[in-house]
Amino acid sequence: DAGVIQSPRHEVTEMGQEVTLRCKPISGHDYLFWYRQTMMRGLELLIYFNNNVPIDDSGMPEDRFSAKMPNASFSTLKIQPSEPRDSAVYFCASSLNAGSYGYTFGSGTRLTVV
Amino acid sequence: DAKTTQPPSMDCAEGRAANLPCNHSTISGNEYVYWYRQIHSQGPQYIIHGLKNNETNEMASLIITEDRKSSTLILPHATLRDTAVYYCIVRVGGGGSQGNLIFGKGTKLSVKP
Repeated sequence: DAGVIQSPRHEVTEMGQEVTLRCKPISGHDYLFWYRQTMMRGLELLIYFNNNVPIDDSGMPEDRFSAKMPNASFSTLKIQPSEPRDSAVYFCASSLNAGSYGYTFGSGTRLTVV
Repeated sequence: DAKTTQPPSMDCAEGRAANLPCNHSTISGNEYVYWYRQIHSQGPQYIIHGLKNNETNEMASLIITEDRKSSTLILPHATLRDTAVYYCIVRVGGGGSQGNLIFGKGTKLSVKP
């Protein structure tokens, strides 16, 4: 298995633009998580899905952020409009059975909003 | 989930055992201890987890005290590639239950030649 695949690896965009981050989880995993990492706040859980259904989005910072999981093999995190304070590394992770044996993280997307 | 306390940084000589401590004095009976690490510019990586018995896998050993208020992650023969931030996390789980993985600041382990 290729692991959790995120794209793009790097994204530079101008303030006010829409940004879409993509994630392909490991086949067969039923949980998917989106995290954000910054120097100031560390790793923060934004939202997670179980069987494609959003379960807890309390970590989503504001309405500019939205996440979808249209099927078991694909999820997106969208920021519209983007702001410089959204600059961070965004990680996607997937797991089987709520992570009893660990989450598998992707390599992350480094987002820079200028 | 219970909070954990870890030293911010540690050094270890290459080839020696690295012992990373974690305090979780408010852990509940149904909470597991998980360890992850994050190598620079990569996503976090699962290492090991346990409830109350000591655990060992190909990466590391986990020693949990009898009162479960603290634990130690042991890397038996540290290499330069083990330089990373190590996170100790306590969460409900281990068998189908839901529970968020909440990361603290972790311990920055530097393995030196």
